Amino acid sequence: AQSVTQLDSQVPVFEEAPVELRCNYSSSVSVYLFWYVQYPNQGLQLLLKYLSGSTLVESINGFEAEFNKSQTSFHLRKPSVHISDTAEYFCAVSPTDYDKVIFGPGTSLSVIP
Amino acid sequence: GAVVSQHPSWVICKSGTSVKIECRSLDFQATTMFWYRQFPKQSLMLMATSNEGSKATYEQGVEKDKFLINHASLTLSTLTVTSAHPEDSSFYICSASGRRIYNEQFFGPGTRLTVL
Repeated sequence: AQSVTQLDSQVPVFEEAPVELRCNYSSSVSVYLFWYVQYPNQGLQLLLKYLSGSTLVESINGFEAEFNKSQTSFHLRKPSVHISDTAEYFCAVSPTDYDKVIFGPGTSLSVIP
Repeated sequence: GAVVSQHPSWVICKSGTSVKIECRSLDFQATTMFWYRQFPKQSLMLMATSNEGSKATYEQGVEKDKFLINHASLTLSTLTVTSAHPEDSSFYICSASGRRIYNEQFFGPGTRLTVL
C-alpha cells in the first residue's frame, strides 16, 4: 500500500518570498509522483509530475519539485511566490503498474501581501 | 490537454431525493473514471473506480447502493446519490484516464452538493 504525508497543513508566506511545501511518501513498489493545485471551489489542476528521467521537474509558473528516492520525498519549491499562488496543494503518488492515485492531506499556502 | 467536465457544478436538494452527477471526457476516450469526495479543508477520498462497460469497484466503507456509478460509454460516467441526506453534502470530483494517457488522471471541476 502507498501513503503520502504532507507535514505542513498551513504555510503562510510573504509575497516574493521563497516557499517549500514538503511531501514524503511510502511505497513498496515504484510510483509516479504528482503535485496538484486546487483553487477555492474548483477542481484539481496538475502542477507537475515525475514519471522517470531527470529528478527535477518544473512547472510553467515557476514551481519545481525534486524526486529524492533515498529520502522518499518530492518537495515542491518556488523561489518567489505571488498572491495568485494562494491555494491548496496536494501531493499524490500512483503505482507505476496501476492508475490509482493516493493523495496527501494537502497544504494550504497563503501568500501575504 | 485533456478536458473533463462535470454537470451540474452545484446542486441543492431536499433530503430523501436522488441526485445525478455527470462526468464527461471531452476530447479523449476515458477507459477509467474515478469518483472522489472532498469535505471542507480535507483531501480527496477515492470513492470508486469505474471501467467502461463493467461494474464499479468501490473503496472500503463506501455504500455501493447509495452511490450508484454507471460508466456506459468511453466519455461518460454518472454518479447518483440515492436518498440523499445532509451528511452526503460534499464536493464530488471525478477524474478520467485514457489508454494513451496512462497513469495521468484529468480532473473535472467538481460538483458541490448541498442536501437540506
